[in-house]
Amino acid sequence: KNQVEQSPQSLIILEGKNCTLQCNYTVSPFSNLRWYKQDTGRGPVSLTIMTFSENTKSNGRYTATLDADTKQSSLHITASQLSDSASYICVVSADTDKLIFGTGTRLQVFP
Amino acid sequence: DAGITQSPRYKITETGRQVTLMCHQTWSHSYMFWYRQDLGHGLRLIYYSAAADITDKGEVPDGYVVSRSKTENFPLTLESATRSQTSVYFCASSEWDPSSTEAFFGQGTRLTVV
Repeated sequence: KNQVEQSPQSLIILEGKNCTLQCNYTVSPFSNLRWYKQDTGRGPVSLTIMTFSENTKSNGRYTATLDADTKQSSLHITASQLSDSASYICVVSADTDKLIFGTGTRLQVFP
Repeated sequence: DAGITQSPRYKITETGRQVTLMCHQTWSHSYMFWYRQDLGHGLRLIYYSAAADITDKGEVPDGYVVSRSKTENFPLTLESATRSQTSVYFCASSEWDPSSTEAFFGQGTRLTVV
């Protein structure tokens, strides 16, 4: 069964600190992996999209990595800000016209 | 306004009533989707449409009806609402097949069935 699992479920960090969120998937055949940010009460917004051949992609303070061999991805946030408080969702495309969503990691950044 | 918009943002309805959630996009994207988001679950696909007059079931289609007579609109109807349909509903669109193009999401509709 195609699945996307994320850890941790929730995370609290202090402003200015770095953090890393994890995503493991069992999706086949694999097309691409995306990370979305979802602010409370809003729709998800794309941060990065990575294909099989890409192992790192950055978007400002967000850096995503992909290991297609172990089927793992991580999202690293550098020098966190209060505005980073949100849910981060890992999404895998199975080379069809559907996306498979993880349940997300809820990040809270405190001053 | 450019983008993808949903209406209403909030809706409370009674069990057994019919309710329609609206979704409108201004990009002329081919694909449109309806998802529901519940605690403990990732977004789950209800229905999707690859083009006007073409719709297909997703993972959780029971109790829902969709139509797409125009490219820009993709309404979702709950024919007889049940409490289990209390959820946050997101509409999304992508220019082409979402496996290869970015998907853009609306702001969501929070539906409560009492």
